[in-house]
Amino acid sequence: EAQVTQNPRYLITVTGKKLTVTCSQNMNHEYMSWYRQDPGLGLRQIYYSMNVEVTDKGDVPEGYKVSRKEKRNFPLILESPSPNQTSLYFCASSFEGTGDYEQYFGPGTRLTVT
Amino acid sequence: KQEVTQIPAALSVPEGENLVLNCSFTDSAIYNLQWFRQDPGKGLTSLLLIQSSQREQTSGRLNASLDKSSGRSTLYIAASQPGDSATYLCARSLQGAQKLVFGQGTRLTINP
Repeated sequence: EAQVTQNPRYLITVTGKKLTVTCSQNMNHEYMSWYRQDPGLGLRQIYYSMNVEVTDKGDVPEGYKVSRKEKRNFPLILESPSPNQTSLYFCASSFEGTGDYEQYFGPGTRLTVT
Repeated sequence: KQEVTQIPAALSVPEGENLVLNCSFTDSAIYNLQWFRQDPGKGLTSLLLIQSSQREQTSGRLNASLDKSSGRSTLYIAASQPGDSATYLCARSLQGAQKLVFGQGTRLTINP
């Protein structure tokens, strides 16, 4: 089944403890992104990647890191999480296909930082 | 600033009605516009994608239109059903389509 998977789905952690949220897609998509969703602010892009070893900042990259060492994986790293990073995180992938770059989203990771 | 606005924020209608959800955007240099559905606590499901060269797309009871000159897109839902209850999000992308900018969504409730 074609899908985007994220792990963990739920995570509660403490301020300053490094964490990684994994994202993997099995559709051989070139493009991958991370978004966060917050009440009243909607979905905002954190980082995106156009291919292996090619990443760029989105709208809210502060406090996050990403890497793209393999085409299928795009982990999101929080080196020193803070409470303002409590949010619902989504990974997405897309490909050029017929030129439309339709985006496919993972199920989300709900992160709480205390 | 490249913004996307969805009005209304919430909508409640009886089952069977036809309805229209609105999405407006400030930048006419749009690459594509995508409509998503989000159920509570769940991820986003892509419903329809309209490329900038297209004016509308249809899937079943759903029809989405795009008017770049006025900066508007609409999602038409025919013969609404309780299972259509969800939050509907529109998102537009610029050239390269790497970055989606989302609206805040319309929370739709269909009453049996």
